[in-house]
Amino acid sequence: DQQVKQNSPSLSVQEGRISILNCDYTNSMFDYFLWYKKYPAEGPTFLISISSIKDKNEDGRFTVFLNKSAKHLSLHIVPSQPGDSAVYFCAASTPSGTYKYIFGTGTRLKVLA
Amino acid sequence: DAMVIQNPRYQVTQFGKPVTLSCSQTLNHNVMYWYQQKSSQAPKLLFHYYDKDFNNEADTPDNFQSRRPNTSFCFLDIRSPGLGDAAMYLCATSRDRTPLGEQYFGPGTRLTVT
Repeated sequence: DQQVKQNSPSLSVQEGRISILNCDYTNSMFDYFLWYKKYPAEGPTFLISISSIKDKNEDGRFTVFLNKSAKHLSLHIVPSQPGDSAVYFCAASTPSGTYKYIFGTGTRLKVLA
Repeated sequence: DAMVIQNPRYQVTQFGKPVTLSCSQTLNHNVMYWYQQKSSQAPKLLFHYYDKDFNNEADTPDNFQSRRPNTSFCFLDIRSPGLGDAAMYLCATSRDRTPLGEQYFGPGTRLTVT
């Protein structure tokens, strides 16, 4: 059973516009959420995170929103740039004490110039 | 630059022939992880080491083993690879085992089983 879901396998956005990537989770005990970005032939790299005690975290062009009641988080990229084209993975940290990540299947973002 | 290195990047092995994938890190991190990622699926944690303490996931097949001889190196051994083990294998590290300790990933080893 997939506890972290990214239901959109791909997304295309025009350069300069907003990109919104979505992620849903099923376990209300998750306490920390992260977004990773992956370019081809490279490993995923950490992008931004949010604790479950917050509902928003912002870092430059990247903002993550957390809606705990809906078990939903989203990543906003404003403005989108061609270099943002990559696969974005959502991950949740388990409450087991060992802080393992459970990843979603990823969303491929393509920013069109 | 400090980094996570995986060798080889591509590995082809025969059905049933043992294979070892390697990972090294220059970050001096305490925790090292191995993930398996099949096509269009999420990376799935196989096991991790917290220093020398080995932590296996409950659903990791016995066919998969790991060794961490020192802080810098970690190996993934697949004793008898099956066709279903063909995947990308990602190694990752983190300074500590907390939710704040984001993980640093290597580029992965793509394993093909013939």
